[in-house]
Amino acid sequence: GQNIDQPTEMTATEGAIVQINCTYQTSGFNGLFWYQQHAGEAPTFLSYNVLDGLEEKGRFSSFLSRSKGYSYLLLKELQMKDSASYLCAVRDSGGYQKVTFGTGTKLQVIP
Amino acid sequence: GAVVSQHPSRVICKSGTSVKIECRSLDFQATTMFWYRQFPKQSLMLMATSNEGSKATYEQGVEKDKFLINHASLTLSTLTVTSAHPEDSSFYICRRDQYFGPGTRLLVL
Repeated sequence: GQNIDQPTEMTATEGAIVQINCTYQTSGFNGLFWYQQHAGEAPTFLSYNVLDGLEEKGRFSSFLSRSKGYSYLLLKELQMKDSASYLCAVRDSGGYQKVTFGTGTKLQVIP
Repeated sequence: GAVVSQHPSRVICKSGTSVKIECRSLDFQATTMFWYRQFPKQSLMLMATSNEGSKATYEQGVEKDKFLINHASLTLSTLTVTSAHPEDSSFYICRRDQYFGPGTRLLVL
């Protein structure tokens, strides 16, 4: 099975940089996802990492270390609209490639 | 644009009725789709894996006779909540690969 840990809440200032960490323990690993979920809406796909290293996509970057079971999502130049929950999810290597979601980190961006 | 759609986006029904939710893959064929449920301020909970041409695989604790899943084509999976009750009121979301549908909010009166 999978066990995923991420902070429950974070607060950051508009224009700043914030790093949201995720640690996981897995019986099999075939990739890690980050999603953004605004209140009342479905999650939106942000990034996917399967190899170690940093993936950059605009203001968002995601890092993975498979040996450490660790990932982070980095948000730069924070905007008020970035206030949302950020979900870390791990896909296992089984037949159905089941994806397990963390409980999410609720980020509040303040002026 | 969206690659996964859901219909309806919102439904209100009386207790005891059945509700069908459709999930469509708009760009690629999907042999596997996933159904989730999310209660307010709670985590996404996987309900079942929908497999084209075969029976769905349900997670522990999910009643397969209550939540009927049909994946009759490579672009469509349906979830039917049978004899819905107020405790079934929730946000139901499907997923294909890394993409989620927009979700269906169900309110059972």
